[in-house]
Amino acid sequence: AQSVSQHNHHVILSEAASLELGCNYSYGGTVNLFWYVQYPGQHLQLLLKYFSGDPLVKGIKGFEAEFIKSKFSFNLRKPSVQWSDTAEYFCAAYSGNTGKLIFGQGTTLQVKP
Amino acid sequence: GAGVSQSPSNKVTEKGKDVELRCDPISGHTALYWYRQSLGQGLEFLIYFQGNSAPDKSGLPSDRFSAERTGGSVSTLTIQRTQQEDSAVYLCASSFAQGTNEKLFFGSGTQLSVL
Repeated sequence: AQSVSQHNHHVILSEAASLELGCNYSYGGTVNLFWYVQYPGQHLQLLLKYFSGDPLVKGIKGFEAEFIKSKFSFNLRKPSVQWSDTAEYFCAAYSGNTGKLIFGQGTTLQVKP
Repeated sequence: GAGVSQSPSNKVTEKGKDVELRCDPISGHTALYWYRQSLGQGLEFLIYFQGNSAPDKSGLPSDRFSAERTGGSVSTLTIQRTQQEDSAVYLCASSFAQGTNEKLFFGSGTQLSVL
């Protein structure tokens, strides 16, 4: 069965620390990969996405993610986090074979000022 | 409308009652998804529509859950004989086309509380 797994459920960092959130998916074939973010009290919004081409994708607010096909991973990174990055982060994968967009469990990021 | 609209934003109901949740997608969006967000569970896929048809209903947790979409627009998610474990935020999202290059736009959700 297709699934998306996020390694960290709750991450606490100080401002200016570097961030890496893990995401693994279990699909065969072609997948499209996404990171969504939900700031406190707001809607989910797209942070970045990967469909093809350069496996290192850059998103909004200085975030980037790297698709490593051999590891079935799509980890999210940011070199220096800010207090305003406090939010919940969801990794998601879409499989053209099933037509489903499946989300991971989410990672709560708390950045201390 | 300008965005995905869900109603009601909050719903408190008694165990055993039926509830109906509504989603108005962005005009012209053919794909519509329902998700459930529970504490500690992340986002759980429920069902998606392409137009008025739902190719995959396997995410619906039980036969108490049903969803329909009419006119390729508004969708309703109905939960019959609600149980306390149904308490969650129910999120709707739409996109211009199913998956691939199209970004999902999410509504603000319906917070369902079953007492």
